[in-house]
Amino acid sequence: DQQVKQNSPSLSVQEGRISILNCDYTNSMFDYFLWYKKYPAEGPTFLISISSIKDKNEDGRFTVFLNKSAKHLSLHIVPSQPGDSAVYFCAVNFGNEKLTFGTGTRLTIIP
Amino acid sequence: EAGVAQSPRYKIIEKRQSVAFWCNPISGHATLYWYQQILGQGPKLLIQFQNNGVVDDSQLPKDRFSAERLKGVDSTLKIQPAKLEDSAVYLCASRIGMGQETQYFGPGTRLLVL
Repeated sequence: DQQVKQNSPSLSVQEGRISILNCDYTNSMFDYFLWYKKYPAEGPTFLISISSIKDKNEDGRFTVFLNKSAKHLSLHIVPSQPGDSAVYFCAVNFGNEKLTFGTGTRLTIIP
Repeated sequence: EAGVAQSPRYKIIEKRQSVAFWCNPISGHATLYWYQQILGQGPKLLIQFQNNGVVDDSQLPKDRFSAERLKGVDSTLKIQPAKLEDSAVYLCASRIGMGQETQYFGPGTRLLVL
């Protein structure tokens, strides 16, 4: 059974500091990893992705790191801004064109 | 570019009633997905279409849920009859197709079954 786990349901970070969100997944050879951001009453919005052939992808303030040996994915946001307050979902494509989502981490940026 | 459209945004029904949701994907996107998101959980795939054909409906409770995408563009998801545990947000997503991994989501329909 392919699983994606986000073990921290919530995280609070001071504005301007770094936010680090974590995600663990079960084993698969052909993975593609995505992070989505969700505001209340809206659908998830694509944020950043990384393929299994890379270990880092950066887009502005957002960087995703992939540790394949540990089956671990993390999203770094720096510097954190109040508008980053949202629920963040990790999603994995286990090579079957379908996404398996984690349960989400609610990030709160404290001004 | 217009995003994924869904309607209605909210729906309240009583158990055993029927309900239908509509989705119009991003223009040119061949693949369409319906997800169910229960409060406190991540989205769970219900059904995947490629053009007007079903690719995967293994997680769709077929005794009460049905979905179609007759012309390969917009899609409807129906629940008949609804149960209390169907209360959730129903999300539609679309993807260009092979080789493009990112799915783009609509705003969702929030269903409350009383």
